[in-house]
Amino acid sequence: NAGVMQNPRHLVRRRGQEARLRCSPMKGHSHVYWYRQLPEEGLKFMVYLQKENIIDESGMPKERFSAEFPKEGPSILRIQQVVRGDSAAYFCASSSSPGGNTEAFFGQGTRLTVV
Amino acid sequence: QQQVKQSPQSLIVQKGGISIINCAYENTAFDYFPWYQQFPGKGPALLIAIRPDVSEKKEGRFTISFNKSAKQFSLHIMDSQPGDSATYFCAASITGGYQKVTFGTGTKLQVIP
Repeated sequence: NAGVMQNPRHLVRRRGQEARLRCSPMKGHSHVYWYRQLPEEGLKFMVYLQKENIIDESGMPKERFSAEFPKEGPSILRIQQVVRGDSAAYFCASSSSPGGNTEAFFGQGTRLTVV
Repeated sequence: QQQVKQSPQSLIVQKGGISIINCAYENTAFDYFPWYQQFPGKGPALLIAIRPDVSEKKEGRFTISFNKSAKQFSLHIMDSQPGDSATYFCAASITGGYQKVTFGTGTKLQVIP
């Protein structure tokens, strides 16, 4: 049973380009969470999705960021018109149920560098 | 507003020593407190977790102590080993909700031989 798969592992984008980050949850998991980790900081919650639904996007910047988790395929975190401040590690986690004490398994992250 | 404060930011411990990391939280709605271990280039992995109805939980060399009245909890790593060198995050969440975890800022632990 493969773990949470994220790709790409590293992504370099020029300012103004779009970044697409993909996350395939563990088999059987239908709850996906995205977190952002800035250098030397902890992870910050961005968004929680279930299949085809955004449940909580309270941590997402209001502009340029969007997320989806379609019925088929991976969850996508999309950042439009990237700026240098978007450079960070983006982690996806998945869980089998939504409970706050249910273990969520993290992927290895996508390290986005904006040049 | 940072809801989970963690200290120290970095820690150097000799092999065989005890590593201690402290955290404090503000939101009294939190009722689940996990600790995560993260190696360079990897995602965080759940290490051990505690609920506030117990004051201590031990798993192998790792122990969480919890003080509900002070809203503080700590991780003790006994007999620290070089393989324990990693960044440790305390965290908090609400079990009645979903996996919206609030993380501390992390402690970079280095265990030297």
